[in-house]
Amino acid sequence: AQKVTQAQTEISVVEKEDVTLDCVYETRDTTYYLFWYKQPPSGELVFLIRRNSFDEQNEISGRYSWNFQKSTSSFNFTITASQVVDSAVYFCALAPLDSNYQLIWGAGTKLIIKP
Amino acid sequence: DTAVSQTPKYLVTQMGNDKSIKCEQNLGHDTMYWYKQDSKKFLKIMFSYNNKELIINETVPNRFSPKSPDKAHLNLHINSLELGDSAVYFCASSPGYPPDDTQYFGPGTRLTVL
Repeated sequence: AQKVTQAQTEISVVEKEDVTLDCVYETRDTTYYLFWYKQPPSGELVFLIRRNSFDEQNEISGRYSWNFQKSTSSFNFTITASQVVDSAVYFCALAPLDSNYQLIWGAGTKLIIKP
Repeated sequence: DTAVSQTPKYLVTQMGNDKSIKCEQNLGHDTMYWYKQDSKKFLKIMFSYNNKELIINETVPNRFSPKSPDKAHLNLHINSLELGDSAVYFCASSPGYPPDDTQYFGPGTRLTVL
């Protein structure tokens, strides 16, 4: 089975706290891509990051960082010093070669940053 | 410049009507998609076109018909709208197929069927 689990339905933190959004995926493929997208209250889907299965290097982009661990099939997303503008629904997605890289979406995690 | 655009952004209509949603991308991508996002935010792919050719056609009622006049456009026509069609519809595009590259999404069209 191929699936993406975002077990945290909703997370609420106070501004400036660090927060980690979990993403666990399942696939028997050795070739796949992982993505994170952000959906702010305005509704659009914004691409954040794409990572291929052969690149386990962690990535940092400003306050955002991603931890890819194949051993635990996880691709977690951390926001450091959160801000109110980070409030959104965040989706993790898997694109396995077996499915012709069709996106398999997690259910999303709603992140609320309180001032 | 908007990369993937959709019109209209909001669409409110009565049951039984026929409506269309338009999508255009100016990224030069070969592949375009339609997704449906339900009220629980679950995203489901509906269709995919590569160079105007239908590639993915998921289990979607045949009241939904995509049309790709050229590779920069993928429109979605819906006949005999039903209450359950109310959702947000997203268009997306990616450079090639298989889409082993990033999909970029339009702003979404919120369809409300009364």
